[in-house]
Amino acid sequence: SQELEQSPQSLIVQEGKNLTINCTSSKTLYGLYWYKQKYGEGLIFLMMLQKGGEEKSHEKITAKLDEKKQQSSLHITASQPSHAGIYLCGAEVRSGSEKLVFGKGTKLTVNP
Amino acid sequence: GAGVSQTPSNKVTEKGKYVELRCDPISGHTALYWYRQSLGQGPEFLIYFQGTGAADDSGLPNDRFFAVRPEGSVSTLKIQRTERGDSAVYLCASSPRARATDTQYFGPGTRLTVL
Repeated sequence: SQELEQSPQSLIVQEGKNLTINCTSSKTLYGLYWYKQKYGEGLIFLMMLQKGGEEKSHEKITAKLDEKKQQSSLHITASQPSHAGIYLCGAEVRSGSEKLVFGKGTKLTVNP
Repeated sequence: GAGVSQTPSNKVTEKGKYVELRCDPISGHTALYWYRQSLGQGPEFLIYFQGTGAADDSGLPNDRFFAVRPEGSVSTLKIQRTERGDSAVYLCASSPRARATDTQYFGPGTRLTVL
């Protein structure tokens, strides 16, 4: 079965710093989703990537999928306390699958 | 518009009891998903519905777990003879159609604690 490895497990940064979170798969990623989760809340959809080399940005967050479609990165520029939370990557189990497999998440703390 | 809602937000029960968890998807979404998230883990797929039918229930851990969606909207996840290992956050998600390119929108979850 497909497994997603996220790194780092946790990250503490000072406000204003840039940071990167990685998501690596043991198999080809047919669809890669990034979500953010805060305690007591559901997952908030950030971005979805499908094509090798694809890159998407929203405000200060940029997500990339490598050409081989086995690794994705999430980059936050000039982090703010509002960026704090748990970032989860999820992927389609197989091409066209409706089920998502998730990594364990990366806990981000941004100190003011 | 309204997002996915789940009730109750918290449920504490005793080992051996029966519980029901409810999910109200986004209006008009035909696909509905249940996931379970244990502490420190990512969500784990349980079951998904396309309309009223369970299209894939391969993630249900055993026959104590059952889910229904009788009218193609609200869904109920039912757990019989609860065990302490069932303690987790149960997340519901919906999408317009059960297509891989359709984003799944998640509810806030129900935190189940089995004593």
